[in-house]
Amino acid sequence: NAGVTQTPKFQVLKTGQSMTLQCAQDMNHEYMSWYRQDPGMGLRLIHYSVGAGITDQGEVPNGYNVSRSTTEDFPLRLLSAAPSQTSVYFCASSSSRNTEAFFGQGTRLTVV
Amino acid sequence: KQEVTQIPAALSVPEGENLVLNCSFTDSAIYNLQWFRQDPGKGLTSLLLIQSSQREQTSGRLNASLDKSSGRSTLYIAASQPGDSATYLCAVAVDSWGKLQFGAGTQVVVTP
Repeated sequence: NAGVTQTPKFQVLKTGQSMTLQCAQDMNHEYMSWYRQDPGMGLRLIHYSVGAGITDQGEVPNGYNVSRSTTEDFPLRLLSAAPSQTSVYFCASSSSRNTEAFFGQGTRLTVV
Repeated sequence: KQEVTQIPAALSVPEGENLVLNCSFTDSAIYNLQWFRQDPGKGLTSLLLIQSSQREQTSGRLNASLDKSSGRSTLYIAASQPGDSATYLCAVAVDSWGKLQFGAGTQVVVTP
């Protein structure tokens, strides 16, 4: 029972590089989201999706891009990495708007 | 904008003592409130979800209450054990899509 799977677990990028953080869930959940966690600040919502082809911006969307072509996958793209994007990134999914959220194990990203 | 606060930021208790964790939010128009546990370097695990129409939710040694009018939730953990040592986060769903606004968490240490 895999749940929510994030890859990679760790990544170091140079400023200006681009990359894609992968997120996949095998629970047939419609709702998926990306958060970043910074020390002392809790988790902040980056982007959100309520189904294939439907996405919305969260609290901190600048510098990130998403698309959702399938129910299972919700990749997060960093267009041009900046040191301010050094953080731990979590992907989450839920079956509907009022049910518990399931989180992946996180991707620790460092931008130098 | 909804703000979620968790006080204290850190808490240390001896084994066997009951734990009381607090969460407050500024806007009572929430759809649900969730409590999560996070172990170091890991993702979040959902503990309890309280719908906006509910006053409390229980699971084993855990009990969470919700008072929307005063903007407060409390998580009680009975007879704490060293294995309860973790960071506990609360989050409120701020819209009908279920977007979550998180508190910064309370780090709990249970000493043997």
